[in-house]
Amino acid sequence: AAGVIQSPRHLIKEKRETATLKCYPIPRHDTVYWYQQGPGQDPQFLISFYEKMQSDKGSIPDRFSAQQFSDYHSELNMSSLELGDSALYFCASSAMGLRETQYFGPGTRLLVL
Amino acid sequence: AQSVTQPDIHITVSEGASLELRCNYSYGATPYLFWYVQSPGQGLQLLLKYFSGDTLVQGIKGFEAEFKRSQSSFNLRKPSVHWSDAAEYFCAVAFGNEKLTFGTGTRLTIIP
Repeated sequence: AAGVIQSPRHLIKEKRETATLKCYPIPRHDTVYWYQQGPGQDPQFLISFYEKMQSDKGSIPDRFSAQQFSDYHSELNMSSLELGDSALYFCASSAMGLRETQYFGPGTRLLVL
Repeated sequence: AQSVTQPDIHITVSEGASLELRCNYSYGATPYLFWYVQSPGQGLQLLLKYFSGDTLVQGIKGFEAEFKRSQSSFNLRKPSVHWSDAAEYFCAVAFGNEKLTFGTGTRLTIIP
């Protein structure tokens, strides 16, 4: 079965640089979620989109922005990167409706030097 | 305060022994309940979920979990662990299709 695809899988950036993470949801899933997992931490919700509209916002820094496109893929844009942004970034997708389950991608590991 | 608690940070179990990982939640209403597993450097794989109905739910890899409303708990169990079960286990809750809120995780080590 098709799963959530994230690219790139690994990314190394310098401080103050910009990064773009991409997420391709499972086919026919219309909701995308982004989570950040720091070293040894549990995943923290950043932001979500449903039908290309932002549906919820968590602890996402103002330096980050995200959007969902017409083909339902999503991109997380991160600017002015800081050392503390080094983390594993997960995308999850689900289908709108009752009792939906979020399926996670493999994550993008971002290292900021 | 609303929270998900996994009281055990690290558990060590012998291969072939039984396992129980604890999860408690504190919310005004009963959320949807999930268990995810994460191998080192890997993504999160859904083990099982509870929405309503039968309080004992079966998942993949031989895992099961029991929802106990009176104790606000959703403990994960496996009768006989395998070395490949070594991983980090996260309990998570959600309301409808809203964001997941995770517990702090329990790291499971298997000894021969």
